[in-house]
Amino acid sequence: DADVTQTPRNRITKTGKRIMLECSQTKGHDRMYWYRQDPGLGLRLIYYSFDVKDINKGEISDGYSVSRQAQAKFSLSLESAIPNQTALYFCATSDSTGTSGPDTQYFGPGTRLTVL
Amino acid sequence: GQNIDQPTEMTATEGAIVQINCTYQTSGFNGLFWYQQHAGEAPTFLSYNVLDGLEEKGRFSSFLSRSKGYSYLLLKELQMKDSASYLCAVRDLNTGTASKLTFGTGTRLQVTL
Repeated sequence: DADVTQTPRNRITKTGKRIMLECSQTKGHDRMYWYRQDPGLGLRLIYYSFDVKDINKGEISDGYSVSRQAQAKFSLSLESAIPNQTALYFCATSDSTGTSGPDTQYFGPGTRLTVL
Repeated sequence: GQNIDQPTEMTATEGAIVQINCTYQTSGFNGLFWYQQHAGEAPTFLSYNVLDGLEEKGRFSSFLSRSKGYSYLLLKELQMKDSASYLCAVRDLNTGTASKLTFGTGTRLQVTL
């Protein structure tokens, strides 16, 4: 079984709809991240969380919100989707204790979101 | 802030050696990562450097010079399956935490026969 899973894997929606992307991990890591990837722009950080009660904005948080419901779950919401939020979204996790390396980030398989 | 530069595309022949360069500017360096990403798939961790020098891991090696703000990823004995994008990512010490990464736009490597 995959250590980091994302649902759905693909989603097509319409402008104005509310969308939630979910991420779950069985790695036991404390830190979780949401990125989006666009052609030519690389991976950009949307939000990150270092613990259940900790939420931090990344470089492109406008139009997004997150919820860290448990250590293993981190959800990303688009309250009112717009076409320029069409992208590939990745969740990642890392371990701050260093027992599995230098706080390396490990990525989920991605969610391809299309907003029409 | 950070600025990371890497070539957009490279082509190399199966069995050859290729070097992918990455230059960066950061106010507080705390480690550099290389990831491999096949088209439409998740980035996967390849290597980590925080001290100057070469880290070797099988066919892949990564080098870091902190004074020059420079790293490279060296791939030996290229195989067709090495065709992928290679992402350079820098961790900044001055973000208030030690875990935020800034990614370059990636180098798309095509391995040909």
